[in-house]
Amino acid sequence: GENVEQHPSTLSVQEGDSAVIKCTYSDSASNYFPWYKQELGKRPQLIIDIRSNVGEKKDQRIAVTLNKTAKHFSLHITETQPEDSAVYFCADSGNTGKLIFGQGTTLQVKP
Amino acid sequence: NAGVTQTPKFRILKIGQSMTLQCTQDMNHNYMYWYRQDPGMGLKLIYYSVGAGITDKGEVPNGYNVSRSTTEDFPLRLELAAPSQTSVYFCASSPTGGRLTEAFFGQGTRLTVV
Repeated sequence: GENVEQHPSTLSVQEGDSAVIKCTYSDSASNYFPWYKQELGKRPQLIIDIRSNVGEKKDQRIAVTLNKTAKHFSLHITETQPEDSAVYFCADSGNTGKLIFGQGTTLQVKP
Repeated sequence: NAGVTQTPKFRILKIGQSMTLQCTQDMNHNYMYWYRQDPGMGLKLIYYSVGAGITDKGEVPNGYNVSRSTTEDFPLRLELAAPSQTSVYFCASSPTGGRLTEAFFGQGTRLTVV
């Protein structure tokens, strides 16, 4: 969990479009891949996560995909709504428990 | 359950003053973390603890100290406040160190150093 790269840093979409955010990690021992959402002035909260024995997980309009070979995982939001506007973070703790967050992606959904 | 509780919520410090940010959790989590979040920026790990009596440096530890004498409490100490320490500070806890389960955050402490 020493290095987590997240892209893009900002993302602007029209309401109803899809949004994709990608994270790359470096620790091959990593086996848990969470995504957090932080609304303005609030604390980060988990929205979806995936474990290394699964390639994809969906929860209504959000999904996470994992490619362990390439060491990256992605957040997919379909049919975006204005309330999806927030900052999204991926995170990784590798095998140590040292929980490191990606740089964050500010998503703006335009009505 | 209260979850993770941070105090105070807001604080203004003068340069050179000291203070302790308090964090307590009632979920019996082994792992606890302190992060700082500068305006418009991400979460940077300051210090973390894998259990009572054990602490370790994160990404940005300079200017801070921590202790973990009990499972529940993980205070963050600023000894000589500097303007660069103006930030929002989040405490978090996790039962497994962020592995296989989520981390739970406190509501944050907004610190301004003038």
